[in-house]
Amino acid sequence: AQKVTQAQTEISVVEKEDVTLDCVYETRDTTYYLFWYKQPPSGELVFLIRRNSFDEQNEISGRYSWNFQKSTSSFNFTITASQVVDSAVYFCALRRGNTPLVFGKGTRLSVIA
Amino acid sequence: NAGVTQTPKFQVLKTGQSMTLQCAQDMNHEYMSWYRQDPGMGLRLIHYSVGAGITDQGEVPNGYNVSRSTTEDFPLRLLSAAPSQTSVYFCASSYSIGANNSPLHFGNGTRLTVT
Repeated sequence: AQKVTQAQTEISVVEKEDVTLDCVYETRDTTYYLFWYKQPPSGELVFLIRRNSFDEQNEISGRYSWNFQKSTSSFNFTITASQVVDSAVYFCALRRGNTPLVFGKGTRLSVIA
Repeated sequence: NAGVTQTPKFQVLKTGQSMTLQCAQDMNHEYMSWYRQDPGMGLRLIHYSVGAGITDQGEVPNGYNVSRSTTEDFPLRLLSAAPSQTSVYFCASSYSIGANNSPLHFGNGTRLTVT
């Protein structure tokens, strides 16, 4: 079975602080894909990043960065110099082979001005 | 550029009523799915389809029916609504279920309240 755990239910930071959202996954497959989605207060779900299991290279996109470590089954997401517009619920998700996407329960991030 | 379109955006039902949540996509995606989102529960898969004429159950299928007669449409039917089905429902699609270059595209959601 596959499972995604986001242990942080809610995080609150002050603007300009760095924040890391944790994601731990479980799967027995060697080929799988990991995703992060953002759900702002307006409610839509926005795709942020996809990573396959063979690519452990970390990725940076502006203030966002992702740290994929197969040794600890983690795919953590860091926001540098957080802004109020980063306030949202963030979901980590896992897909193995030809199976549907499985989501974690999400982390609600509040960035306070 | 419509993407995934869900209707209605809001709906209030009484217990026992039936209704259909509509989902349409114009991206020629083979894979479509329905999720429900409840506080503290994340997104849970209800049903999914890997192509026209093919559907399968997800994690929480009870109380819901689906069909996929065309590539574009994937309606979700509640035959007899219950208060436990109060939720936000999201339809999502991608090129195919296993396409590693195709993330899920989500509709804007339907907020359903069952009284």
